[in-house]
Amino acid sequence: SYVLTQPPSVSVAPGKTARITCGGNNIGSKSVHWYQQKPGQAPVLVVYDDSDRPSGIPERFSGSNSGNTATLTISRGEAGDEADYYCQVWDSSSDHWVFGGGTKLTVL
Amino acid sequence: EVQLVESGGGLVQPGGSLKLSCAASGFTFSGSPMHWVRLASGKGLEWVGRIRSKADNYATAYPASVKGRFTISRDDSKNTAYLQMNSLRTEDTAVYYCTRQAIGDLFVSWGQGTLVTVSS
Repeated sequence: SYVLTQPPSVSVAPGKTARITCGGNNIGSKSVHWYQQKPGQAPVLVVYDDSDRPSGIPERFSGSNSGNTATLTISRGEAGDEADYYCQVWDSSSDHWVFGGGTKLTVL
Repeated sequence: EVQLVESGGGLVQPGGSLKLSCAASGFTFSGSPMHWVRLASGKGLEWVGRIRSKADNYATAYPASVKGRFTISRDDSKNTAYLQMNSLRTEDTAVYYCTRQAIGDLFVSWGQGTLVTVSS
């Protein structure tokens, strides 16, 4: 089965840039989506199809995907960005949806 | 406004069964593939399964962790999706979310979740 690998935690200073990676075999050939989840809340889509943003998501959130790594970039980090972030793909070979293990972003 | 409202969670003993419901509104439910995703305490999001629309013969798919124990169904006349969970294990304890698949393969709308606790 297809596996997505994320770092368990990432820290960023306020106003600086955070990068959260998502590794997978030839992930560059897939569409990667990113979700933000805060404690006690449902996940929220923040980036889809590698680099597109849903309406209402700040331009500070951006994404890229190439080779074996997809990256979510959060510019000018704010306290309100503290959350768990998950990457997600659809594995066409198994018709299964796959999430990465999640990355806890700390703004300090 | 799109709304997904889960219900049916609760405490169940190992080996028991539980059926969750997801009431949908604000979009064309009958044409939308629907999924269930869970979040166990201290763990990450885990995809639990999918049901396609009538046009795709209500095809279902499940990960190995729940295949043969969980069944997803839908009643388009009631705009409701269901998750029947049998032979429950302690490791099935989690908040269960229903989610709507958008064009493509992403999840565009989520419910607030319902807690399932499997314990003796």
